[in-house]
Amino acid sequence: AQSVSQHNHHVILSEAASLELGCNYSYGGTVNLFWYVQYPGQHLQLLLKYFSGDPLVKGIKGFEAEFIKSKFSFNLRKPSVQWSDTAEYFCAVNAEGYNKLIFGAGTRLAVHP
Amino acid sequence: DGGITQSPKYLFRKEGQNVTLSCEQNLNHDAMYWYRQDPGQGLRLIYYSQIVNDFQKGDIAEGYSVSREKKESFPLTVTSAQKNPTAFYLCASSTTGTGNNEQFFGPGTRLTVL
Repeated sequence: AQSVSQHNHHVILSEAASLELGCNYSYGGTVNLFWYVQYPGQHLQLLLKYFSGDPLVKGIKGFEAEFIKSKFSFNLRKPSVQWSDTAEYFCAVNAEGYNKLIFGAGTRLAVHP
Repeated sequence: DGGITQSPKYLFRKEGQNVTLSCEQNLNHDAMYWYRQDPGQGLRLIYYSQIVNDFQKGDIAEGYSVSREKKESFPLTVTSAQKNPTAFYLCASSTTGTGNNEQFFGPGTRLTVL
């Protein structure tokens, strides 16, 4: 069965620190990859997505993610976090031919001023 | 404004009662989804519908039922057969149900069983 692993459940950083959140998936075929973010009290929203092409994708608010097919990974990065990045981040995978997303368990990020 | 609405925001239910959660979208999306969000478990798919009058079970459908009589609406009923219904329920929609389209989420309904 397909699965998504997010290794860090809670991350605490100071402002201006660099961020990398890990995401690994288990599926050997073609995949579509997503990162969603849930800010406190707000709807879950799309941060960025990868379907094909350049494996380094850029999203909103300075976030980027790199798809490394050989490692089955899609890690999320941001060079310098802000207090407003405090949120829960979810990695999600769609295996081609399957009509649904599989979500990881989520990572809670707290950024201290 | 286009979007997805869910009502109510908070819902309390006594054990043994069925309860229906509302989800409406005005995005003209064909596909709609119901997820359950529990701490430390991410989102798990309950049911999804790719077109009116058709729906499929997700990964945790037991104890739940849905209907899709209109394109805009996808209500979820939590039945008394659901063993652990207390959770945060999210509805989503997308242009098609092929899985490679962005899903747009509603604000959620927090259900508490007393």
